[in-house]
Amino acid sequence: DAGVTQSPTHLIKTRGQQVTLRCSPKSGHDTVSWYQQALGQGPQFIFQYYEEEERQRGNFPDRFSGHQFPNYSSELNVNALLLGDSALYLCASQAWGGTNEQFFGPGTRLTVL
Amino acid sequence: QQQVKQSPQSLIVQKGGISIINCAYENTAFDYFPWYQQFPGKGPALLIAIRPDVSEKKEGRFTISFNKSAKQFSLHIMDSQPGDSATYFCAASPQSNRKLIWGLGTSLAVNP
Repeated sequence: DAGVTQSPTHLIKTRGQQVTLRCSPKSGHDTVSWYQQALGQGPQFIFQYYEEEERQRGNFPDRFSGHQFPNYSSELNVNALLLGDSALYLCASQAWGGTNEQFFGPGTRLTVL
Repeated sequence: QQQVKQSPQSLIVQKGGISIINCAYENTAFDYFPWYQQFPGKGPALLIAIRPDVSEKKEGRFTISFNKSAKQFSLHIMDSQPGDSATYFCAASPQSNRKLIWGLGTSLAVNP
C-alpha cells in the first residue's frame, strides 16, 4: 500500500519564476492538504482540497494556488517566486469522513535563487 | 501569535532515559492532538494522537498525557534510544476544519 507520494524531490528556481508541485494521496484518502515548512520551523498550513474544491486556506497570498483532480491527486502552484518561498513543501492526505489523522509525504525541497 | 506552544526547544537524553516534551494550547475548540516525528529531509510521521475525552494514551514506548483543564499535553518517550533522535512536533486542530496548528518543534538527541 503506497503512502503519500510527492514529486519532484528537489527543485531549484529563480525569482519570478513559477513552479508546480505534485502529490498523490494515500490509498483510500480523498482529502489533500499542503504545508510549507521553512528550515527549523514547524509546518504552516497553506490550503486543503476535497472534492476538487479548496475547503480551507491558511495565511498565504494568492500567488499560492492549487488544484485537485478526480483521482484525488493534487497540485500546488506558486507564481512569481520570492527568495522567501524557499522551503520544504509537504503534502498530507486524510479521509474526509474519518478521523483527523493526516499522513505526510516526503516533501519537495524548493530552493529559490 | 503562537496558538500551540511547545517546549523545550531542544532536549538531550541518555539512552534508556525518559524524554518528555510539553505543549500548551489556547483554543478550546481544539479536539485533536497528534504528535509527529520528523527526521532530517523527511516528512513528518504520525506517532500518536489523543482526543480530550481521555487523559492518557499509550502506544509502545510512547505515551501522551492530556490535561484538559490546564490546556496542556505532553509526550513521554520511555527507554529512549539513539534511533529516537529526531525533531518532534505537537499539533492541534478542531474537528470542524481539520487544519493542523503546529508547535515549533523539539530537537531530541539521545546519547548512546
